[in-house]
Amino acid sequence: EVQLVESGGGLVQPGGSLRLSCAASGFPFSKYAMSWVRQAPDKGLQWVSAVSNSDEKTYHADSVKGRFTISRDNSKNILYLQMSSLTVEDTGIYFCAKGNSEDWFDRWGQGTLVTVSS
Amino acid sequence: DIQMTQSPSSLSASVGDRVTITCRASQYIGTWLTWYQQKPGKAPEALVYKASTLQNGVPSRFSGSGSGTYFTLTISDLQPHDFATYYCQEYHSHNTFGQGTKLEIK
Repeated sequence: EVQLVESGGGLVQPGGSLRLSCAASGFPFSKYAMSWVRQAPDKGLQWVSAVSNSDEKTYHADSVKGRFTISRDNSKNILYLQMSSLTVEDTGIYFCAKGNSEDWFDRWGQGTLVTVSS
Repeated sequence: DIQMTQSPSSLSASVGDRVTITCRASQYIGTWLTWYQQKPGKAPEALVYKASTLQNGVPSRFSGSGSGTYFTLTISDLQPHDFATYYCQEYHSHNTFGQGTKLEIK
């Protein structure tokens, strides 16, 4: 069974940093691209970042470019999102999502909550 | 960047009804479109991919259509557990989501 379990969320002050993790199991992790998608409180979904299966290519939404870095450790089956210079607009639930051969998201984790507040 | 516009933003319907949600892309995306269902406090789940292909396990009451810039998701014979928020997402470019359509019980 595919499982994606996010961790690392919490309360952080504006300007602070946080690293999210997503532990994957139940599928050949190194074969698939992975993404982070976030959802602000009572708002819609926003794609944040993506990484290719081999960690060679990364992509970020304009709103986080230069502040967030996505990476993965295929030896540990873990996806990461390093977030810095956080603002209140970064508050929300962060989901990791598994891509597939056609690039849509066929599995999602349950999310981890990030709250940026002073 | 591609913009995805869903309509309506909210919709009230009764059990047994048929409803249609539309999604328009600001530029051509072929059939690179997925529909997701999200229930409160839960992660989204894919219903339809490639605009019209049902994900495994999704009831045939759900159907998707469209190509290019105009897409629809139709749900027939609404069931109580269908009341949720629905999102379209393009995966032609930067995985942009529509703003969502909240389907509520009338």
